[in-house]
Amino acid sequence: DQQVKQNSPSLSVQEGRISILNCDYTNSMFDYFLWYKKYPAEGPTFLISISSIKDKNEDGRFTVFLNKSAKHLSLHIVPSQPGDSAVYFCAAIEGTYKYIFGTGTRLKVLA
Amino acid sequence: DTGVSQDPRHKITKRGQNVTFRCDPISEHNRLYWYRQTLGQGPEFLTYFQNEAQLEKSRLLSDRFSAERPKGSFSTLEIQRTEQGDSAMYLCASSSLAGAAETQYFGPGTRLLVL
Repeated sequence: DQQVKQNSPSLSVQEGRISILNCDYTNSMFDYFLWYKKYPAEGPTFLISISSIKDKNEDGRFTVFLNKSAKHLSLHIVPSQPGDSAVYFCAAIEGTYKYIFGTGTRLKVLA
Repeated sequence: DTGVSQDPRHKITKRGQNVTFRCDPISEHNRLYWYRQTLGQGPEFLTYFQNEAQLEKSRLLSDRFSAERPKGSFSTLEIQRTEQGDSAMYLCASSSLAGAAETQYFGPGTRLLVL
């Protein structure tokens, strides 16, 4: 059973607009979450993370929001750029080191 | 710092053959992980080393799989008697023990195709 779910397999956004990628989780014990970006033929690259004691974390164009009561997090990319086109994975940490990944959302930013 | 490296990047083998993959973590990282990723899925945890000790193995890691990290530096993942279902991307990641949660840095992966 998937403990981390990304229900949108793909998303297309115009360059300059906001991209919103969503992630839901089922395990209320998860207390740390991360987003990774993956280009073809490369490994996942760390993007941004958030602890459950926060509801928002921002790094440049990337902001992650966490809604613990809804067990939902989202990644906002503003403004979106063509170079952001990639597969984005949401992950939760189980215990202190085991990452549980979602299935990914393929983002395409249209020029 | 050259990041996490993996070798080979691609491997094609026939069913029944043995294969071995290597991972070189970031030099100061004492934690090392192996994941497997199949098409349309996210990476799935296989095993975890802290220094040379293998501290956890997923039930995904059948008896045909063995991983080692003999000197607490590089690691190898061996698959014996490969099956077509073993075809996947095998990812290695490393991190340093620093607090309750740390970022894992991934290598480029080894893509295995079993014919």
